[in-house]
Amino acid sequence: DAGVTQSPTHLIKTRGQQVTLRCSPKSGHDTVSWYQQALGQGPQFIFQYYEEEERQRGNFPDRFSGHQFPNYSSELNVNALLLGDSALYLCASKTSTLSREKLFFGSGTQLSVL
Amino acid sequence: GENVEQHPSTLSVQEGDSAVIKCTYSDSASNYFPWYKQELGKRPQLIIDIRSNVGEKKDQRIAVTLNKTAKHFSLHITETQPEDSAVYFCAPPPLMNYGGSQGNLIFGKGTKLSVKP
Repeated sequence: DAGVTQSPTHLIKTRGQQVTLRCSPKSGHDTVSWYQQALGQGPQFIFQYYEEEERQRGNFPDRFSGHQFPNYSSELNVNALLLGDSALYLCASKTSTLSREKLFFGSGTQLSVL
Repeated sequence: GENVEQHPSTLSVQEGDSAVIKCTYSDSASNYFPWYKQELGKRPQLIIDIRSNVGEKKDQRIAVTLNKTAKHFSLHITETQPEDSAVYFCAPPPLMNYGGSQGNLIFGKGTKLSVKP
């Protein structure tokens, strides 16, 4: 049983560019959330996708957008990258039914913006 | 929204000693209280959680206690070992329900635990 998988593991971009990160949830999970973790900080909630729609959103600008596909996988897109977007981006999945609060995290994508 | 604070921010103990990390939260409606462990360069992993209808839960060397009146819950690690060295996060979710899925977790800033051999 594969856990949450993310790609790529590392990415280097320059300011102003756009980036797409990908996530496949744990088997049996239908809800995907994205978190940003700056160095030395706790993960910060970006948004959550369920039934292919954005359901909740944290305090992040519109430059951050996402998508969920019918197979529950998800993408995070960030436009007009800023230096401050450099962080570890974590995808987490859960089920909307039993034990629905339990989040399982992927290993993350380390994004560096130069 | 939920305001989460963890104390202490760093904790250093000798192997075999106990460690306690406290988390305070602001949303009195919160009813789920998890602790995550994140080793250096790795993903956060759920190590123990408790619901509001229970005051304490144990799993081998780790335990979580909840005080809903005071709005805080604590992680207890006994007989600490070097492999317990990591950053620990509490992450109580605000009580939001949408489409059958509860609100997302709000992470504290973390407690860096160092266990010295």
